[in-house]
Amino acid sequence: KQEVTQIPAALSVPEGENLVLNCSFTDSAIYNLQWFRQDPGKGLTSLLLIQSSQREQTSGRLNASLDKSSGRSTLYIAASQPGDSATYLCAVHVRAQKLVFGQGTRLTINP
Amino acid sequence: NAGVTQTPKFQVLKTGQSMTLQCAQDMNHEYMSWYRQDPGMGLRLIHYSVGAGITDQGEVPNGYNVSRSTTEDFPLRLLSAAPSQTSVYFCASSWGQAGFNEQFFGPGTRLTVL
Repeated sequence: KQEVTQIPAALSVPEGENLVLNCSFTDSAIYNLQWFRQDPGKGLTSLLLIQSSQREQTSGRLNASLDKSSGRSTLYIAASQPGDSATYLCAVHVRAQKLVFGQGTRLTINP
Repeated sequence: NAGVTQTPKFQVLKTGQSMTLQCAQDMNHEYMSWYRQDPGMGLRLIHYSVGAGITDQGEVPNGYNVSRSTTEDFPLRLLSAAPSQTSVYFCASSWGQAGFNEQFFGPGTRLTVL
């Protein structure tokens, strides 16, 4: 059974720092991996989708990498801002119609 | 584009009552799904649909029914609500039928069953 783990569960950093969020999964047989952002009391916003054949994807200050063989993905946030404060979730598509989520990392950026 | 919309935003039910959570999308996506989000459990798939008239069960389908009569709408029905169904419910959609394309989520419905 695929399990997705995100460590740490919470992270607090000062504004302006570059930071890395981690996601690991137990089964490398995935279609793709998707990173989401969730603000308190809100839905999920898609940030980046990495296909299983890709190594990384970039969008603005965000860069996500994928290493299928080791079962790991990282989300790199450059020059963090208070507006980046949210919970970040990763999810893997293990087969068609099946998306397995991690528990998320709650990120706080301190001004 | 409104994207994925859900109604209501909040709902309180008594045990045994029934209700329908509404979900609609205006992106002409074939794939739609329902998740519930619980503390410590993450998001879990309830039901999904790969197109009008086609639905299937996810990880936690018991106590929920779905139907898909149009591409746009995918309602979730609770036939007899139980306290264990207190949760936040999210609807999602994506293009294609396979369900492994980029997922777009609605704002959620917060349900409390007393």
